[in-house]
Amino acid sequence: EAQVTQNPRYLITVTGKKLTVTCSQNMNHEYMSWYRQDPGLGLRQIYYSMNVEVTDKGDVPEGYKVSRKEKRNFPLILESPSPNQTSLYFCASSPGTSGDTQYFGPGTRLTVL
Amino acid sequence: GENVEQHPSTLSVQEGDSAVIKCTYSDSASNYFPWYKQELGKGPQLIIDIRSNVGEKKDQRIAVTLNKTAKHFSLHITETQPEDSAVYFCAASRTGGGADGLTFGKGTHLIIQP
Repeated sequence: EAQVTQNPRYLITVTGKKLTVTCSQNMNHEYMSWYRQDPGLGLRQIYYSMNVEVTDKGDVPEGYKVSRKEKRNFPLILESPSPNQTSLYFCASSPGTSGDTQYFGPGTRLTVL
Repeated sequence: GENVEQHPSTLSVQEGDSAVIKCTYSDSASNYFPWYKQELGKGPQLIIDIRSNVGEKKDQRIAVTLNKTAKHFSLHITETQPEDSAVYFCAASRTGGGADGLTFGKGTHLIIQP
């Protein structure tokens, strides 16, 4: 089944404790991206990647890192999480390099205490 | 950059009636306009999209219209059913003009009253 998977689905952590949210797609898509979703603010892009080893900042990149060492994986790294990073995170992938038609994962609910 | 405004933020309609959600965008170079449906506890799912070379597209009970001159596009759902209750997002992007991907509206919570 073609899909985008994220792990973990739920995570509660404490301020300053490094964490990684994994994202994987099995559709051989070129483009992958991360969004955060907050009430009243919709979906905001954190980082995106047009291809392996190519990443760039989205609208809200502060406090996040990403890497794209393989085509299928695009992990999101929070080196020192803070409470304002408590949010619902979505990974998405797209077949082209322009990121138009995107397919979303199920989401990761992160709480930073 | 692109800015997408979406209205209304909440829409309540009687089952069987029609629902219309409207979006405006700022970047005249945008040429791709998808709509996503997000059910509780799930990721957004693409339900319909339109490109700037057409003015209207229909898929069963769902249709999208685009007015490039006015820079607005709308989602129309006819004969609404309980399973249409969800949050709907519009988005815009410039395909081939950069890799910024999608800019989303803030969402519309559609409530279908039985």
